[in-house]
Amino acid sequence: AQKITQTQPGMFVQEKEAVTLDCTYDTSDPSYGLFWYKQPSSGEMIFLIYQGSYDQQNATEGRYSLNFQKARKSANLVISASQLGDSAMYFCAMTPALSGNTPLVFGKGTRLSVIA
Amino acid sequence: NAGVTQTPKFRVLKTGQSMTLLCAQDMNHEYMYWYRQDPGMGLRLIHYSVGEGTTAKGEVPDGYNVSRLKKQNFLLGLESAAPSQTSVYFCASSYYSVNTEAFFGQGTRLTVV
Repeated sequence: AQKITQTQPGMFVQEKEAVTLDCTYDTSDPSYGLFWYKQPSSGEMIFLIYQGSYDQQNATEGRYSLNFQKARKSANLVISASQLGDSAMYFCAMTPALSGNTPLVFGKGTRLSVIA
Repeated sequence: NAGVTQTPKFRVLKTGQSMTLLCAQDMNHEYMYWYRQDPGMGLRLIHYSVGEGTTAKGEVPDGYNVSRLKKQNFLLGLESAAPSQTSVYFCASSYYSVNTEAFFGQGTRLTVV
């Protein structure tokens, strides 16, 4: 069964510094999608970035980038120039199989705290 | 542009009571999901649907039932609520599963006493 592992329950980062949130995944499917979501204290789930398993380039969206290492089965989120508003829970998620009929599964999350 | 709407936002139930959570999306999405979020556990999939009239079990389906009679609606039922079902419930939908992001409702905070 597919599985997402986030090994960092909590992280601290100084404002304006970069931070990497770890995510490893396990699937036997050759085709899959990887996602990162942000959940601020208000509770809503906000989509940040997507990486397809066949994408040649690492995904980037503004200050967010995804460090995709397929052989290691890792999909780490890098946030550059951290801001106080980046303090939130961050979830890594995956949908395996290109054929569909497969659900989105989440890791347990990492709580990021940005310090002024 | 409503997106994904969950009803209700908050609810307190007594043990043994039943209730239905409603999720409605106006984006013509095929996929819909119900998750529960508990501290330290992330989002765990309860049930999901890949299209109108279809449902499938997720990681933690026991004690819940679902129905997808209309494409835009996905209902989550608790037949006999238990304190272990105290949680925040999220509904989500997506056009496809692999390469499109899921859109989430605002969550339902359910307390079973």
